[in-house]
Amino acid sequence: SQQGEEDPQALSIQEGENATMNCSYKTSINNLQWYRQNSGRGLVHLILIRSNEREKHSGRLRVTLDTSKKSSSLLITASRAADTASYFCATAGQAGTALIFGKGTTLSVSS
Amino acid sequence: DADVTQTPRNRITKTGKRIMLECSQTKGHDRMYWYRQDPGLGLRLIYYSFDVKDINKGEISDGYSVSRQAQAKFSLSLESAIPNQTALYFCATSEVSGRGGAFFGQGTRLTVV
Repeated sequence: SQQGEEDPQALSIQEGENATMNCSYKTSINNLQWYRQNSGRGLVHLILIRSNEREKHSGRLRVTLDTSKKSSSLLITASRAADTASYFCATAGQAGTALIFGKGTTLSVSS
Repeated sequence: DADVTQTPRNRITKTGKRIMLECSQTKGHDRMYWYRQDPGLGLRLIYYSFDVKDINKGEISDGYSVSRQAQAKFSLSLESAIPNQTALYFCATSEVSGRGGAFFGQGTRLTVV
């Protein structure tokens, strides 16, 4: 079964608002990653947070990780129409395990 | 040129036919993956390889096989295609360290009729 589960499945907001997506996972991880996918295209890596980190920033992205709750959140601040896409979390276990993806959150940002 | 190239990009095939999807990469990464994407199900792992001599089954390997011909090449085969293998297939690569995340190809849209 899939490791990560994103919540919500779909999110619609206005430009300028913040978007928050959550990811829960089941087993211990080495790191957790977030990806973006524009409709039908390949996924693009956004940010990686290691299991010993609690928060990480990259531009308008902020990721938090709570290993005690096995959960992560992705915050996109000041959303733009161009942020419209699907967002996936993926977990990497210890060495020797593959990258496992969740089902994704579809974000729609309207202008 | 793209870092991860998948061929073909689109393919329609008949039930029972054998089909091969190819993936090549210029990243120099040891790790390569095949995923399939279906609406509402996200990406599911089919097979992965951590080096040329290493092949591992993923969550949904039944009906598929793979070949790691070289560090840069990882092929996925459907020995006898069936309609429920209709999906978008992605190849991806990553470093052993995991830094920088995975790099994805543009996908192969496969339709089995």
